[in-house]
Amino acid sequence: KQEVTQIPAALSVPEGENLVLNCSFTDSAIYNLQWFRQDPGKGLTSLLLIQSSQREQTSGRLNASLDKSSGRSTLYIAASQPGDSATYLCAAPNTGGFKTIFGAGTRLFVKA
Amino acid sequence: DAGVTQSPTHLIKTRGQQVTLRCSPKSGHDTVSWYQQALGQGPQFIFQYYEEEERQRGNFPDRFSGHQFPNYSSELNVNALLLGDSALYLCASSPGSVYGYTFGSGTRLTVV
Repeated sequence: KQEVTQIPAALSVPEGENLVLNCSFTDSAIYNLQWFRQDPGKGLTSLLLIQSSQREQTSGRLNASLDKSSGRSTLYIAASQPGDSATYLCAAPNTGGFKTIFGAGTRLFVKA
Repeated sequence: DAGVTQSPTHLIKTRGQQVTLRCSPKSGHDTVSWYQQALGQGPQFIFQYYEEEERQRGNFPDRFSGHQFPNYSSELNVNALLLGDSALYLCASSPGSVYGYTFGSGTRLTVV
């Protein structure tokens, strides 16, 4: 049974800082892992999708890495901006099924 | 290209009533999943529909049921509403699990 954990639960940083969000999963036999952003009361916006054959994906100031052997993924945000303030969620598939398991998220606040 | 569309955006129901939520998937997507998200938590998988059949179900009671239509749109029905059913209900679509999921903006259900 897949379990996904995100650390830290909340993070407050000054504008301009580079930061790393962590995601760990218990079942490493995943075919992909997806990172999302959620603004308060809104739906989820997909940021990056990493396939199991890939080690990382980049989009603008975002870089996500995947290490299946250790059951970890990290989301790196470069030069953070106040507009980056949101909750960041990672999600991994449940092995042998079609269920996607989410972590509880990291709430990020970037101070101007 | 329209993304995933959910309706209504908000609704308020009385305990014991029944509710139907609707989802239109992104063009080209044939798989629809439903999630329940309580405040401060990650989304919890309710079920997934593919080819008009429920392909997998999460740990939700039979009060939660769904349907997928030939045009791939989907409905989530909840009977005998409880106060604890108050949450954000999210619909996600995909052309196949390995390609990741696109989420809608959600329906905020309040049970009073």
